[in-house]
Amino acid sequence: AQKVTQAQTEISVVEKEDVTLDCVYETRDTTYYLFWYKQPPSGELVFLIRRNSFDEQNEISGRYSWNFQKSTSSFNFTITASQVVDSAVYFCAPRMSGSARQLTFGSGTQLTVLP
Amino acid sequence: EADIYQTPRYLVIGTGKKITLECSQTMGHDKMYWYQQDPGMELHLIHYSYGVNSTEKGDLSSESTVSRIRTEHFPLTLESARPSHTSQYLCASSEWDGFSSGEQYFGPGTRLTVT
Repeated sequence: AQKVTQAQTEISVVEKEDVTLDCVYETRDTTYYLFWYKQPPSGELVFLIRRNSFDEQNEISGRYSWNFQKSTSSFNFTITASQVVDSAVYFCAPRMSGSARQLTFGSGTQLTVLP
Repeated sequence: EADIYQTPRYLVIGTGKKITLECSQTMGHDKMYWYQQDPGMELHLIHYSYGVNSTEKGDLSSESTVSRIRTEHFPLTLESARPSHTSQYLCASSEWDGFSSGEQYFGPGTRLTVT
């Protein structure tokens, strides 16, 4: 079974600081997708970014960027110039190539951005 | 922005009652999912569907049942609610993925409390 580890249970930063959320996963697959989701206090999950395993170019989208390292099975997510509205639980979710091809969610990182 | 709806948003009900949680999406997605999430914890897949008349059990055993008679509708039913069913239930949908990215879009969730 796939395993996803988000070692940071809680992170607090002051507004405008940069923050990086870590994600490490286990897989035997060579081809897969990786996602990050955000869950604000209202409870719904919001899709943020996706990355495929066969393109290791790291990208930036607005204040979000991500660092994918296939060799170490890590998919870290960075928020630049954090804002109070970024406060939420962030989930890393790989999707492997098993028969069901479902997402496996990590336990989440609670990010609190202080004004 | 995803168009996936869940009702009710909040439900408090007594033990032994039958309940149905509704989920509808207007995106024409073939795949739909139900997740269970306890407060502060990761999401666990309890049911999914590849399309009409297709339903499968997820990783987490659940006493609930689902049906998929129409593409846009994926209700979840508990025949006899118990306090152990108290949780948040999240519905999601995605395009048929083949091996495309297949990101899932989530509804706002139903917070169920069984007294």
